[in-house]
Amino acid sequence: GPKVLQIPSHQIIDMGQMVTLNCDPVSNHLYFYWYKQILGQQMEFLVNFYNGKVMEKSKLFKDQFSVERPDGSYFTLKIQPTALEDSAVYFCASSPRERLFFGHGTKLSVL
Amino acid sequence: QQKVQQSPESLIVPEGGMASLNCTSSDRNVDYFWWYRQHSGKSPKMLMSIFSNGEKEEGRFTVHLNKASLHTSLHIRDSQPSDSALYLCAASHTGYQNFYFGKGTSLTVIP
Repeated sequence: GPKVLQIPSHQIIDMGQMVTLNCDPVSNHLYFYWYKQILGQQMEFLVNFYNGKVMEKSKLFKDQFSVERPDGSYFTLKIQPTALEDSAVYFCASSPRERLFFGHGTKLSVL
Repeated sequence: QQKVQQSPESLIVPEGGMASLNCTSSDRNVDYFWWYRQHSGKSPKMLMSIFSNGEKEEGRFTVHLNKASLHTSLHIRDSQPSDSALYLCAASHTGYQNFYFGKGTSLTVIP
């Protein structure tokens, strides 16, 4: 089936540093999402993105977070600066309209 | 407020038994439901979706939807150890491209 690729699979950084998580969504999909999951628990919505703009963001999407997809390349989630509580698995997903297709996730460890 | 509630939080069934999982939305605008399965350390994969009142069956999996009460249930018959996973319910509504997840039900099938 359609594949969403996430790079890297694991990222370890020191608190206060900047990190960029990369997502290569399915090519003909229009909607892109980031979700945060801690310890295999709830999939928590962060933000969705369409036509170059953020459509909706949750309370978890702090001011230190930003997303972009410059010129149809990677859909990125940037965290600057990182905090200890940002440690989690971040899943990217894309959708043609209905149904989400998830990437394998990036495990972020903030030390 | 949590838009999607799932119960139970965890469930243990013997191999060959029936597993029943529940999901309800508190958002009256919701009209689409999805069930995703996430094995440990993996990304969620869509199992089934349901948009209309009634029942839908695919192999060992049956989904029910009651749109009046915004309640959906997933039933797995002849449960197998490979069915052990986190089951996530997601909901969305027409014209609003977002997917809200519940906290999930952790299913363990004991051989």
